[in-house]
Amino acid sequence: AQSVTQPDIHITVSEGASLELRCNYSYGATPYLFWYVQSPGQGLQLLLKYFSGDTLVQGIKGFEAEFKRSQSSFNLRKPSVHWSDAAEYFCAVGGYTDKLIFGTGTRLQVFP
Amino acid sequence: DVKVTQSSRYLVKRTGEKVFLECVQDMDHENMFWYRQDPGLGLRLIYFSYDVKMKEKGDIPEGYSVSREKKERFSLILESASTNQTSMYLCASSLGQVSNQPQHFGDGTRLSIL
Repeated sequence: AQSVTQPDIHITVSEGASLELRCNYSYGATPYLFWYVQSPGQGLQLLLKYFSGDTLVQGIKGFEAEFKRSQSSFNLRKPSVHWSDAAEYFCAVGGYTDKLIFGTGTRLQVFP
Repeated sequence: DVKVTQSSRYLVKRTGEKVFLECVQDMDHENMFWYRQDPGLGLRLIYFSYDVKMKEKGDIPEGYSVSREKKERFSLILESASTNQTSMYLCASSLGQVSNQPQHFGDGTRLSIL
């Protein structure tokens, strides 16, 4: 069965610092992978997705993610964090079942 | 842009009441979903629907039912509300194959059962 783990519940960074949010998945074949962001009081917004091809994926708001099959990971990165990036981030995995599996989320706090 | 609209942002109901949460999408998507979101548990799928009048149980369907009479509308029903159903409820929609298409979310309904 497919599953996804976000090991970090809460991360704090200073504005301008780089960011990496971790996501590990379990799936037998090449998965479909997604990162979503949820600002306070809002629904989830798609940041980026990986289906196949180039393992480095660019998304909106300056985010990117790298698919590493050998590590079963799909970590989200941003070179310089802005205060408006403070939110909760969810990784999700899809495969050949009929639903997406979401991680439990990582809450990002940004200090000025 | 896809718009998924949930009828209420905040809702307060009493134990034992029948509660309806409504969701409408404007992009002719085949698939619609209801999730509940609780701290530390992420998103858990309650029910989903591939087409009009079709419904499938998700991971936590107990205490809930759904209705999809029109393609654009997917309703979640709490038959007899209980305090453990206090939560954030998120509706989503998508095109095509569920497992490889991004889902588009509404802003959520924060439901409190007193």
